Amino acid sequence: AQSVTQLDSQVPVFEEAPVELRCNYSSSVSVYLFWYVQYPNQGLQLLLKYLSGSTLVKGINGFEAEFNKSQTSFHLRKPSVHISDTAEYFCAVSDLETGANNLFFGTGTRLTVIP
Amino acid sequence: DTAVSQTPKYLVTQMGNDKSIKCEQNLGHDTMYWYKQDSKKFLKIMFSYNNKELIINETVPNRFSPKSPDKAHLNLHINSLELGDSAVYFCASSQVGRETDTQYFGPGTRLTVL
Repeated sequence: AQSVTQLDSQVPVFEEAPVELRCNYSSSVSVYLFWYVQYPNQGLQLLLKYLSGSTLVKGINGFEAEFNKSQTSFHLRKPSVHISDTAEYFCAVSDLETGANNLFFGTGTRLTVIP
Repeated sequence: DTAVSQTPKYLVTQMGNDKSIKCEQNLGHDTMYWYKQDSKKFLKIMFSYNNKELIINETVPNRFSPKSPDKAHLNLHINSLELGDSAVYFCASSQVGRETDTQYFGPGTRLTVL
């Protein structure tokens, strides 16, 4: 079975400062990894994904994430945040074994950018 | 064009009522999903449909029933609504084999049961 842990439920950060949102997963099989963002009162939007290949993945809005298999992590980073980045961020994992697109989500991290 | 749409956006109803939420996708995907997001923002999959067949049902009460009239639609029917059903429900879709496991989400339906 798969599970996802987002250790930080809330992350406040000043505008133009760097940010890292942590995500760890557990799985007995190979996985795909995703970060989704949810802006206030909106649906989920895909930020980036790791399927295979390079472990450093670049997404939209200047975000990037690095897949670390030995540490079973997929932390999300941005070198300089903007007010508009204030949102809820969800890490998710799906496995390659079932063949079905089962997404398991973490509990989310609320990023608040302070002016 | 909206890729995944849901109606209604807000739904307020009394306990015991029966209600439906509609979902449509115009991405040509063959798999659609329903997720429930609780008050703590936790997202959990409820159902998925692939080629009109149910392939996931994660311990969801049988008061919830997905209905797929065609590949582009997956509606969620809820009977005998309970207070605990209050949540935001998200529809999603994906295409197996194309950008595998990338699911595209609708804007959500906020259900409030009084």
